[in-house]
Amino acid sequence: DAGVIQSPRHEVTEMGQEVTLRCKPISGHNSLFWYRQTMMRGLELLIYFNNNVPIDDSGMPEDRFSAKMPNASFSTLKIQPSEPRDSAVYFCASSLGLTAGELFFGEGSRLTVL
Amino acid sequence: GENVEQHPSTLSVQEGDSAVIKCTYSDSASNYFPWYKQELGKRPQLIIDIRSNVGEKKDQRIAVTLNKTAKHFSLHITETQPEDSAVYFCAAMTNDYKLSFGAGTTVTVRA
Repeated sequence: DAGVIQSPRHEVTEMGQEVTLRCKPISGHNSLFWYRQTMMRGLELLIYFNNNVPIDDSGMPEDRFSAKMPNASFSTLKIQPSEPRDSAVYFCASSLGLTAGELFFGEGSRLTVL
Repeated sequence: GENVEQHPSTLSVQEGDSAVIKCTYSDSASNYFPWYKQELGKRPQLIIDIRSNVGEKKDQRIAVTLNKTAKHFSLHITETQPEDSAVYFCAAMTNDYKLSFGAGTTVTVRA
């Protein structure tokens, strides 16, 4: 299996622009998580889905952030409009299920907002 | 929500010595405690985990201990090697299946 696939790996954009990050979970995994990693705040859970349904989005920092999972093999995290403080590495992770435990992380998308 | 504290933030050890990282958690309902290793520029990867019904688990040079009464758990790495140099994160999962991570420990193994 190719593992969790994220794109783009790197994104540099200007403040105010829309950013869309994409994730393909491991086939057969029912749960998908979006995390943000910064030096100051560490690994923060933004939102997670189970069977394509958003379960908890309390970690989404602002209304500028939104996430969707239209099917079992694809999810997006969108930031509109982007701000410099959104600069971070965004990780997508998947697991067999909510009680399965182990999260399999993608390589991450490094976002820089100028 | 769950609050996970991790110490120390940095740890430097001589090759062959042991390394110990400690974490505490706040929610007594937490029932799953994994440890992740993240090499520079890479993704976090699970190295060992423990559930609340056991007190200790070992996998070769790595071991984890859990004290539910005190709400703390620890990672022990014995006979450290240069490839053990990385950032290590502890985490705790509560009943709502949310995994909260500690701030991380940067481990440097000196040759």
